[in-house]
Amino acid sequence: EIVMTQSPATVSVSPGERVTLSCRTSQSVESDLAWYQQKPGQAPRLLIHDASTRATGIPARFSGSGSGTEFTLTISSLQFEDFAVYFCQQYDDWPLAFGQGTRLEIK
Amino acid sequence: QVQLVESGGGVVQPGRSLRLSCTASGFTFSDYSMHWVRQAPGKGLEWVAVNWYNGDNKKYADSVKGRFTISRDNSKNTLYLQIDSLRVDDTAVYYCVRDPLAVGGHYLDYWGLGTLVAVSS
Repeated sequence: EIVMTQSPATVSVSPGERVTLSCRTSQSVESDLAWYQQKPGQAPRLLIHDASTRATGIPARFSGSGSGTEFTLTISSLQFEDFAVYFCQQYDDWPLAFGQGTRLEIK
Repeated sequence: QVQLVESGGGVVQPGRSLRLSCTASGFTFSDYSMHWVRQAPGKGLEWVAVNWYNGDNKKYADSVKGRFTISRDNSKNTLYLQIDSLRVDDTAVYYCVRDPLAVGGHYLDYWGLGTLVAVSS
């Protein structure tokens, strides 16, 4: 079973700044990694798949990179609506697995 | 537009059973694998089960294997999750989620709003 580790658990950032979130997997998942955003009381929303491909309708300020075991999600200029929890997910092997999430807070 | 609407959640006593349903619209249901993902209150996401496009192939998380059964009725555009021998740690919001491909095991592109299952005596 692949173990997912996200860091940091919580990060505080000011609107307009850039932030990078990290996701590490216990073994290589090649590029089979997705990122999701979840706001309070809402379902998760797909942001990035295949490590770096933005999902339909996702703004260009969201970008993903990495392969193997190290991945990052970067938000280039934070908007107020970006403050949420972010999860990564691997789909290289069963069972599908999610990271524990990074909470992005307003500074 | 793609819509996934879950139902069937509620407050249930430990040991009882429950069947969740998910009605899909806005796409050809029989062309896609479908998953259940759950989220305990204040916690992260946990993948539960997948049913491939034709209903023949299913996979489960170890934590639910033997107690949960995923199924689908393509004629009704509906996905199901039968939960038996409910435990307190099954308490969660259960999301119905679409896989972008017929053969499952990928990222998850559309999510329902979820249905809450609360297991309590």
